[in-house]
Amino acid sequence: NAGVTQTPKFRVLKTGQSMTLLCAQDMNHEYMYWYRQDPGMGLRLIHYSVGEGTTAKGEVPDGYNVSRLKKQNFLLGLESAAPSQTSVYFCASRSDLQGLNLHFGNGTRLTVT
Amino acid sequence: EDQVTQSPEALRLQEGESSSLNCSYTVSGLRGLFWYRQDPGKGPEFLFTLYSAGEEKEKERLKATLTKKESFLHITAPKPEDSATYLCAVYGNRDDKIIFGKGTRLHILP
Repeated sequence: NAGVTQTPKFRVLKTGQSMTLLCAQDMNHEYMYWYRQDPGMGLRLIHYSVGEGTTAKGEVPDGYNVSRLKKQNFLLGLESAAPSQTSVYFCASRSDLQGLNLHFGNGTRLTVT
Repeated sequence: EDQVTQSPEALRLQEGESSSLNCSYTVSGLRGLFWYRQDPGKGPEFLFTLYSAGEEKEKERLKATLTKKESFLHITAPKPEDSATYLCAVYGNRDDKIIFGKGTRLHILP
């Protein structure tokens, strides 16, 4: 039981490049979330999903897109990376039946130069 | 809009010196308030969920309490291994967003 797995762990992009971050969970959770964490800013919600095929905007959605084609996977896309998107990205999931708390992955550290 | 404010931003304590961390919140109908611990380079680790005012939960040296406006995380006789960033989050009934505060960085000196 791996929990929440994020790939890649590290990535360096040049301004204007695109990439996709993958989050996979093996707990059969309905809800999945993407956050970014910057020094002094805490965790800020980018997008979230309440079930397969659904997505919704969080606090800071601009510049990001998401997709939830399969229940176990939640993808975060950057179409044209900007230096302001340099951050640590965390994915989390939770059940709708057993408690409300989030289960987090260990993060992806992204640097945009 | 749901909001969470944590104080202080950082706290240095001597080993054994008890203290409290504060989490003030505004939310439209609280479904849950959460406390997490985060170590450097790791994802947040779940500690507690509180659902209604007056509720308290304990785990080892940690005790979380909840009122209608704020939550406290009390740390009794802390040890150096309690050093971490402690995060507070709220889940309201307006939507399914879970909103975090900026955290409190706790450092326990041996």
